[in-house]
Amino acid sequence: AQRVTQPEKLLSVFKGAPVELKCNYSYSGSPELFWYVQYSRQRLQLLLRHISRESIKGFTADLNKGETSFHLKKPFAQEEDSAMYYCALSGNTGGFKTIFGAGTRLFVKA
Amino acid sequence: NAGVTQTPKFQVLKTGQSMTLQCAQDMNHNSMYWYRQDPGMGLRLIYYSASEGTTDKGEVPNGYNVSRLNKREFSLRLESAAPSQTSVYFCASSEAPGAVYGYTFGSGTRLTVV
Repeated sequence: AQRVTQPEKLLSVFKGAPVELKCNYSYSGSPELFWYVQYSRQRLQLLLRHISRESIKGFTADLNKGETSFHLKKPFAQEEDSAMYYCALSGNTGGFKTIFGAGTRLFVKA
Repeated sequence: NAGVTQTPKFQVLKTGQSMTLQCAQDMNHNSMYWYRQDPGMGLRLIYYSASEGTTDKGEVPNGYNVSRLNKREFSLRLESAAPSQTSVYFCASSEAPGAVYGYTFGSGTRLTVV
């Protein structure tokens, strides 16, 4: 079965500290993985996609097929990074739907 | 650049009332989706439309119906609202099924059923 697991509901770090938001997935085919971010009172927006191997706002994520993980990392957290982060998976199994994890709320303290 | 527009933004219903949530996108996207967002459960897919003229059930379709009115519009209807349908509803669109380029989301509708 397709599943996305974000084990941490809340992650609190100090400004300037490294941050890693964990995401593990279960999928039988070749998935497309994404991270979405939702700032307070704003709509969800795409942060990055694994296929583009990009860095957005200092965040990176590497797809590890062996560990079935797609953790989101940033070396130095900023207060404006405080938001809800969702890991998501899409693929050609099950009708091309995108499945979201339960989300991790990141709180960056001054 | 409106993107995905949802109406209304807020709604309070009494148990048993019906309502339709509207969603429109101006990006010429083929695929559209309705999700509900509940604390601790993330986003769960209610219904989706891979292309104009098609609709399919998602993970939690019970109590809902949808209509893909045309390429731009995808509405979600609650025929007889229940308190369990209190949630934030998001509409999203993508160029094609599989969403290789990701989704574009609307701003959400916060629905309370009392």
